[in-house]
Amino acid sequence: SQQGEEDPQALSIQEGENATMNCSYKTSINNLQWYRQNSGRGLVHLILIRSNEREKHSGRLRVTLDTSKKSSSLLITASRAADTASYFCATADRGSTLGRLYFGRGTQLTVWP
Amino acid sequence: SQTIHQWPATLVQPVGSPLSLECTVEGTSNPNLYWYRQAAGRGLQLLFYSVGIGQISSEVPQNLSASRPQDWQFILSSKKLLLSDSGFYLCAWSHSPNEKLFFGSGTQLSVL
Repeated sequence: SQQGEEDPQALSIQEGENATMNCSYKTSINNLQWYRQNSGRGLVHLILIRSNEREKHSGRLRVTLDTSKKSSSLLITASRAADTASYFCATADRGSTLGRLYFGRGTQLTVWP
Repeated sequence: SQTIHQWPATLVQPVGSPLSLECTVEGTSNPNLYWYRQAAGRGLQLLFYSVGIGQISSEVPQNLSASRPQDWQFILSSKKLLLSDSGFYLCAWSHSPNEKLFFGSGTQLSVL
């Protein structure tokens, strides 16, 4: 399968703590993306990191990419109860012009106040 | 600005009945359009994608079909629903292939 695989499947932390989620994939990629989904809602794009980038920041989010290990991590610093959601990674295959993104099963993050 | 509309939000249909879910995108031209399905507690499965009017590619053989009659309109259909068609259906669009997706709010389909 070309899907990314997130780890852990579920993560429970207290407000103020950092949350780290990992994603592993199998193919050569053009880019890797992280999305967030609140229960029963559509996904919201968080950040895109290209294959020639190693780290990217957006607010309290930090994403790293290690193409040699075919893995990525999403770090949410100083978490808040409002960060409670499912987080998905998605990969776009290198050389693909068709725009197919392959999603993993997600990490369910719960942040307790 | 661009907006995506997807309806209905929830739908309960009997087995064997037809299905039509509609998705429209405003504020952009020639978007790439996608239909995904999400089973409970699972990841997203790409069902169909379209790079232009009348151009539909299917990822998985199934009981569903898709059409793009207008540049801004993407329709997911079935002639006869199966129990296994239940799930959360999401429409999405992107400016260009492999770039970020903008998702609709989803349709929760229950086939009974």
